[in-house]
Amino acid sequence: AQSVAQPEDQVNVAEGNPLTVKCTYSVSGNPYLFWYVQYPNRGLQFLLKYITGDNLVKGSYGFEAEFNKSQTSFHLKKPSALVSDSALYFCAVRDYQAGTALIFGKGTTLSVSS
Amino acid sequence: KAGVTQTPRYLIKTRGQQVTLSCSPISGHRSVSWYQQTPGQGLQFLFEYFSETQRNKGNFPGRFSGRQFSNSRSEMNVSTLELGDSALYLCASSLSGAYTDTQYFGPGTRLTVL
Repeated sequence: AQSVAQPEDQVNVAEGNPLTVKCTYSVSGNPYLFWYVQYPNRGLQFLLKYITGDNLVKGSYGFEAEFNKSQTSFHLKKPSALVSDSALYFCAVRDYQAGTALIFGKGTTLSVSS
Repeated sequence: KAGVTQTPRYLIKTRGQQVTLSCSPISGHRSVSWYQQTPGQGLQFLFEYFSETQRNKGNFPGRFSGRQFSNSRSEMNVSTLELGDSALYLCASSLSGAYTDTQYFGPGTRLTVL
């Protein structure tokens, strides 16, 4: 069965430092990978996705993610964190077996201190 | 372009009642998916509609149902509400529901069952 793991419930980073939010996945076919962010009392906002091609994907608000097939990972990164990046981040995967449904990880809370 | 809209934003119901939630997708999007978000179970897929047909269904009891209209607007219904149905219900739309499509989420409907 398809699954997504976000091994850290919370990541703490100082403003201006680089940040990484980790994600690993398990699917039977080729994965389609997504990152979303959720602010309090809001829906999910799309950040970026990997479908095929270049392993480094650039997205909104300066975020990027690196697809690593051998490690089945899709970590979210940003070179310089902002306090306003503090939010809940979700990694999601889709493959042909799951159909059109997105399978989400449990989420990682990012806290950026000033 | 207007985003995904969901109404109402907040609902309070009592056990045994039924509830209907509404979702208007982004203009031109024909696929609508519904997700349930709870602290314990995280984000779980309910169902997906495309061209007024349910195309995919998650692992939820038959009390959860939905439909899609010819203008792509969608509703979901929960009958005989239980305390455990308290959750944030998120609607997402995409162009065609293809595996590579991005799903764009609405702000959600917060349902509280007393």
